[in-house]
Amino acid sequence: KQEVTQIPAALSVPEGENLVLNCSFTDSAIYNLQWFRQDPGKGLTSLLLIQSSQREQTSGRLNASLDKSSGRSTLYIAASQPGDSATYLCALSGGSYIPTFGRGTSLIVHP
Amino acid sequence: GAVVSQHPSRVICKSGTSVKIECRSLDFQATTMFWYRQFPKKSLMLMATSNEGSKATYEQGVEKDKFLINHASLTLSTLTVTSAHPEDSSFYICSAGWDPKGDTQYFGPGTRLTVL
Repeated sequence: KQEVTQIPAALSVPEGENLVLNCSFTDSAIYNLQWFRQDPGKGLTSLLLIQSSQREQTSGRLNASLDKSSGRSTLYIAASQPGDSATYLCALSGGSYIPTFGRGTSLIVHP
Repeated sequence: GAVVSQHPSRVICKSGTSVKIECRSLDFQATTMFWYRQFPKKSLMLMATSNEGSKATYEQGVEKDKFLINHASLTLSTLTVTSAHPEDSSFYICSAGWDPKGDTQYFGPGTRLTVL
């Protein structure tokens, strides 16, 4: 059974810092990995999708990497802004194709 | 492409009433849809797998008579919370894939249910 762990659970940083959020998983047989953002009381917003054959994806200030052999993905946020404050979730789809979510990292970027 | 919608986005109801939530794949056919529930400060938890034309598969601990799922067409799955109670208040989200293996899932925006 796939287990997904996100570290840290919470993070508070000053504006402008570069951040790394981590997502580790136990079963490397995955189809893809997705990073989501969730604002309080709102639905999930898909940020980046990495197919199993890819190593990274970039969108604006966001960069996500995938290393299946080590069971890790990282979400890199450059030059963080207060508007980046949210919970970030990673989810993996594997052989059962049912996405498994991590518990998320709660990020606060203060001015 | 690959858009999944949910309706309503928010619903407030009285205890004892039933609430129906719709999940639609707008530009693709989804043989399988998934329903999740999010508890406060916890990760999304899979409730059930909805298969078009057949009965849903429920995860352990999910009451199938309370959370009725119908996948009547390749673009629509519904989740009905029957005789809702305050403890059913939660965030419900669906996802859909377009092939049997569903290697890419697209998520709906979610529905916030509040039971008074």
